[in-house]
Amino acid sequence: QKEVEQNSGPLSVPEGAIASLNCTYSDRGSQSFFWYRQYSGKSPELIMFIYSNGDKEDGRFTAQLNKASQYVSLLIRDSQPSDSATYLCAVRGTGTASKLTFGTGTRLQVTL
Amino acid sequence: DTEVTQTPKHLVMGMTNKKSLKCEQHMGHRAMYWYKQKAKKPPELMFVYSYEKLSINESVPSRFSPECPNSSLLNLHLHALQPEDSALYLCASSQDLGRGQIYEQYFGPGTRLTVT
Repeated sequence: QKEVEQNSGPLSVPEGAIASLNCTYSDRGSQSFFWYRQYSGKSPELIMFIYSNGDKEDGRFTAQLNKASQYVSLLIRDSQPSDSATYLCAVRGTGTASKLTFGTGTRLQVTL
Repeated sequence: DTEVTQTPKHLVMGMTNKKSLKCEQHMGHRAMYWYKQKAKKPPELMFVYSYEKLSINESVPSRFSPECPNSSLLNLHLHALQPEDSALYLCASSQDLGRGQIYEQYFGPGTRLTVT
């Protein structure tokens, strides 16, 4: 079964620190990778996507992809209390092109 | 503009009721999706429409009936639901289905459904 795994957390980081969220996937042929942020009671919001090995930066967010090791990570620099949310990793694999496989999410808590 | 809208925001229905959820996008996207999300779980794909045709049905019970009247609208008709169907129902859209391309999915705000 194709899986996407995340540590459920909570991951607690102090304000201003770097939060590092990790995700591993089992389908070696996976094509593209997405990070969604979900506040409690709200819908997922797309933060970043990446499809090439290496780093992709957007403001305070950096997505990192290592296809050889089958992991993707999201770094949040200068973490703010407003970053406290659940972060969902989603992977588009080799099966049905439209289908995303979601991880169970990591809950991030940014403390004052 | 990456807006997907959904109505209603909240819905309470009895097990004998018939109701519909509505989703609309004006981004020119050709693929639209219905997901179901239970508390503390990831979204679970239900249906995918591509160019107004049903592309994927993830073995969803027939009490859920999707409809895509045009490329901007997606409905989910509900009938004879069970209490365990209570969840957040999310609509999403993407430019296309993503074969060989990166077509990210954008979610609407969801409809919180409670079945009594």
